[in-house]
Amino acid sequence: GQQVMQIPQYQHVQEGEDFTTYCNSSTTLSNIQWYKQRPGGHPVFLIQLVKSGEVKKQKRLTFQFGEAKKNSSLHITATQTTDVGTYFCAGGNNFGNEKLTFGTGTRLTIIP
Amino acid sequence: SAVISQKPSRDICQRGTSLTIQCQVDSQVTMMFWYRQQPGQSLTLIATANQGSEATYESGFVIDKFPISRPNLTFSTLTVSNMSPEDSSIYLCSGGTGIYEQYFGPGTRLTVT
Repeated sequence: GQQVMQIPQYQHVQEGEDFTTYCNSSTTLSNIQWYKQRPGGHPVFLIQLVKSGEVKKQKRLTFQFGEAKKNSSLHITATQTTDVGTYFCAGGNNFGNEKLTFGTGTRLTIIP
Repeated sequence: SAVISQKPSRDICQRGTSLTIQCQVDSQVTMMFWYRQQPGQSLTLIATANQGSEATYESGFVIDKFPISRPNLTFSTLTVSNMSPEDSSIYLCSGGTGIYEQYFGPGTRLTVT
């Protein structure tokens, strides 16, 4: 079945440093979504990418979808303590439903 | 967007018993899903809850163990049957309103003793 892996599994950064997490799928995706889960919370939708090579920005966050639609990345510039949490990518396969396969996640901790 | 509530928020149950988790959405959604998440781990899809018909289960999950109902577009239940300690986990429901984005409930933390 489809597998979605993320690296790194954990990332500790000093506040103000940049952070990047990478997402790789074993199969071609119809779309990629990113979610953030704060400690003790539930996943919250951040963004969706659909087109090959697409790049989207949300303030300090930059999301990319690979040309082959099998990988994606999330980059955070100048991290803040509010960025703490686990970031999940989730791939859609567009087989007539909205089912997602979640990646393994990257847990980000910030050193003040 | 959609706001999703779940009941109960947490429970401690004895092995061999069953627990039904309720999921309520504040607006109609096309799709509803049930996930399981071990602390510190990723989300594993249990099944897609289909309105008025049998749920669609993922590999490794069966209806006898996780019966699901969805009588209308805004409500679904998941039952964890004949529980064992291995069923201890966080159970999350989600709903989809847009093309694919999903909104999650706060989760039900289940501990089986």
